Amino acid sequence: DIVMTQTPLSSPVTLGQPASISCRSSQSLVHSDGNTYLSWLQQRPGQPPRLLIYKISNRFSGVPDRFSGSGAGTDFTLKISRVEAEDVGVYYCMQATQFPWTFGQGTKVEIK
Amino acid sequence: EVQLVQSGAEVKKPGESLKISCKGSGYSFTSYWIGWVRQMPGKGLEWMGIIYPGDSDTRYSPSFQGQVTISADKSISTAYLQWSSLKASDTAMYYCARLVGSGSYYMDVWGKGTTVTVSS
Repeated sequence: DIVMTQTPLSSPVTLGQPASISCRSSQSLVHSDGNTYLSWLQQRPGQPPRLLIYKISNRFSGVPDRFSGSGAGTDFTLKISRVEAEDVGVYYCMQATQFPWTFGQGTKVEIK
Repeated sequence: EVQLVQSGAEVKKPGESLKISCKGSGYSFTSYWIGWVRQMPGKGLEWMGIIYPGDSDTRYSPSFQGQVTISADKSISTAYLQWSSLKASDTAMYYCARLVGSGSYYMDVWGKGTTVTVSS
C-alpha cells in the first residue's frame, strides 16, 4: 500500500496568516496514464469531508482561491494564503493512483 | 442538486448483521462509482472500497476485504455497506461519496455519514 505522511499533524495559525501542509507518499503518485491522482479534503468539526483540490492543483467548484495545491511525484503541499475562522478543521491528502487508495493521517488546523 | 443520502444511525450488538445505505439523487447513479470511507471515533479517514453501480464492479481495500460487503441496487439508485457479524471494532462513522473517474479520480460529493455503534 502507498503510505501518505502529512506534516505537521497540528498547525496553530493566526487569523489572516498563511498555513502550509505537506503530504509525502511512499511511492510516486504518477499513474500509468500520466496523471497524478492526489487530492486534498477538509473536514470541519462535526461535518463530512469536503473536496478542496484534485489532481494536485485543481481547485474544486466553490472552493475559495486562498486554497492552492502544488507538488509532483511524491511531495505535495496544500497552502492557505490567509487563514479564516471557517478554515478550522482537519485536512487530509488522499492518493487514488494505486489501489488501495489511501489517506494521510490528517493535519489539524486551529486558530492561535 | 446532486446528493447522497445515508441511512440513520445504528446501534447493534456484537455478532449481529447490518446493512447501511447510501441513496444517490440528482445525477445518473449508474455512471459514477460510489466509495465507502470509515472514520473511527477521533481518528482519520480510511478508504474501504468502491462500487460501480452500472455493473456492480467492486474493489476493496485489503484491510476490509472479507470483513464487509459493498453492493448496489441501480433500480433504486442505492449503494450498500453490510456486515454479517459485527464486532465492537466496527464502531465508527461510515461515509459514502461519489467518485468522479475517467482520468480524474476524486470524491466530489459526500453523504453526511452513518454512525454505527456496536456494543453489548
